[in-house]
Amino acid sequence: EVQLVESGGGLVQPGSSLKVSCVASGFTFSSYVMHWFRQAPENGIEWLAYINTDSSSTHYAETVKGRFTISRDNAKNTVDMQLSSLRSEDTAMYFCAREIPYVYYGLAFDYWGQGVMVTVSS
Amino acid sequence: DIQMTQSPHSLSASLGETVSIECLASEGISNYLAWYQQKPGKSPQLLIYYASSLQDGVPSRFSGSGSGTQYSLKISNMQPEDEGVYYCQQGYKYPPTFGGGTKLELK
Repeated sequence: EVQLVESGGGLVQPGSSLKVSCVASGFTFSSYVMHWFRQAPENGIEWLAYINTDSSSTHYAETVKGRFTISRDNAKNTVDMQLSSLRSEDTAMYFCAREIPYVYYGLAFDYWGQGVMVTVSS
Repeated sequence: DIQMTQSPHSLSASLGETVSIECLASEGISNYLAWYQQKPGKSPQLLIYYASSLQDGVPSRFSGSGSGTQYSLKISNMQPEDEGVYYCQQGYKYPPTFGGGTKLELK
């Protein structure tokens, strides 16, 4: 069974840093592109970042570029995101997700973690 | 970024009814359109990808159609477990963007 489990959320002050992690199981992690998303309370879904299978390519949303860093460890089946210079507007549920393996069918995401809450407040 | 506009914002349906949700892209997305269902406190679940391809394990009462900039999700024979918020998402170019969601309730 495919599973993605996030951890590392919490309450932090503006300007601080936090790392959220996602551990994968039930599939060959090293063969899949991985992504991070967030969803603010009662809001829609925002894509944040992607990392390819061997970490040679990453891409970020403009809203987080230069502040967030995605990374992965294929030996540990983990994908992390380091969140820095946090602002109140970064308060959201953060999800990792797996990209579908069908390259000709566009970007879509077939498995998501349960999410981890990050609250930025003084 | 490509803007995705969903309609309606919310709707209610009776048991067994057929409902449709529309999604309009701000530019052509060549059928690179996915649909998700999200229930309260849960993560999104992929229903449809490439506009009309049904994800494994998703009931056949869900179907997708469309082309160019206009796409739709049809739910036939509404069931209680179909309640939730539905999102469309374009997978044509980065960044992938989502519609604002359609809340579906059982009448």
